[in-house]
This record gives sequence, structure tokens and C-alpha cells, in this order.
Amino acid sequence: DAKTTQPPSMDCAEGRAANLPCNHSTISGNEYVYWYRQIHSQGPQYIIHGLKNNETNEMASLIITEDRKSSTLILPHATLRDTAVYYCIAVPNYGGATNKLIFGTGTLLAVQP
Amino acid sequence: ETGVTQSPTHLIKTRGQQVTLRCSSQSGHNTVSWYQQALGQGPQFIFQYYREEENGRGNFPPRFSGLQFPNYSSELNVNALELDDSALYLCASSLSGGASVGEAFFGQGTRLTVV
Repeated sequence: DAKTTQPPSMDCAEGRAANLPCNHSTISGNEYVYWYRQIHSQGPQYIIHGLKNNETNEMASLIITEDRKSSTLILPHATLRDTAVYYCIAVPNYGGATNKLIFGTGTLLAVQP
Repeated sequence: ETGVTQSPTHLIKTRGQQVTLRCSSQSGHNTVSWYQQALGQGPQFIFQYYREEENGRGNFPPRFSGLQFPNYSSELNVNALELDDSALYLCASSLSGGASVGEAFFGQGTRLTVV
């Protein structure tokens, strides 16, 4: 499973876009990029995932570089409730059962008022 | 709200004791995974159950064991508790065979303290 690298912490002003980077230079062709976040004292929450193309949902956008070696999670208008640890995870598609998630230490995003 | 419920929410045990943690999966999900999260760390995969069979295990000793029931609920059992077992234990339910191989729904966790 590919290792991912994220900055340990980032700040963002409330109402501004938060751009969280992730490096996954050893990702293989069958590995998806998944993003989760964990608000203090809660379980992790799925945000978004992608393989090659950029993706957008009601929570965020995911931009994956053409070579797939890095990606950026974008929260378009950050609020105080977006303060959390964000995890970027490479998940292989072997078919069959859902794959285990290998969490790193993630990025602590602090949204400032 | 994910529909995944864990019990109890908090628990204090003495070293050497045994503990059972419970998880009720989201309706329609057939796979349950358990994670251990120490303070300041990301969750670490313990094991996964699919169709009542263990389907993958992380680097945890045999004193960590589990069960999945026909209704897809699950238990995590830890024997001979050690101080280092103090952590947040997270249950995640998912639908295997679905379109998303890495999408899981986590419960709020059980905070276990071993003294």
C-alpha cells in the first residue's frame, strides 16, 4: 500500500478556501486516494475519494495531479466546524471485501475566526 | 450520524482483566473493521470481519479477538489487558462488493482506560 505524506498542521481563515496537500508518490495504478477527517473526540468521517479524475461533492473537491503522485483536498468555504485532523489514504482495489484503511498522522486544520 | 453505534462509550479496567466492546453496524452493511487509536496517533487497523469470518488482521497479538454475528453486529475482545491497551477503539462498517473500496462509516468509539 502506498505511503502518504501530509503536513502536520495548517491554519485557514474562516470563510476562505482550505487547501490540504497530500503526497503519494509511490501510488500504484489500482490505488484510490481517499480523504477522511476526524473532529475531536469523534470517529473519522469519509469526505471524498478519487482515482484519476478530479472529484467534487457537497463537502469538498479533490484535485489529483495527472501523474497521480499528489493530490489536494479543497474545502471551498471553511467554517469553524471544519477544524479537524484530515487524513489522506491510498486504498487498493482488489475487489471483494472493503479494504483496511492505513491512517497516518494526518493534517490538523485549524480554522481561525 | 453514521448509524454505527458502539458500547460502552467509556470503560475503565484493571491490568490483567478482559474486556468486550460492542458495535452495531449500519443497516445493509456486511463488513466490520476495528481500529485502535492511541492519543495523538491515527487509527491503527486491528482486524476486519466479513460474512462472520476474520478477513485480514493488523499487527496485533492473539489476545485481541473478535466476532461478527449473523446480523453483522460485532464484538472486540481483549484478554490480559495491558496499560498500553488504553486507547479509543473504533468500529467501522462498510459494504463489501460495493462501488467504494475504502468508504467506511465509523462509530463514536469506546474510550478504554487500563489502570
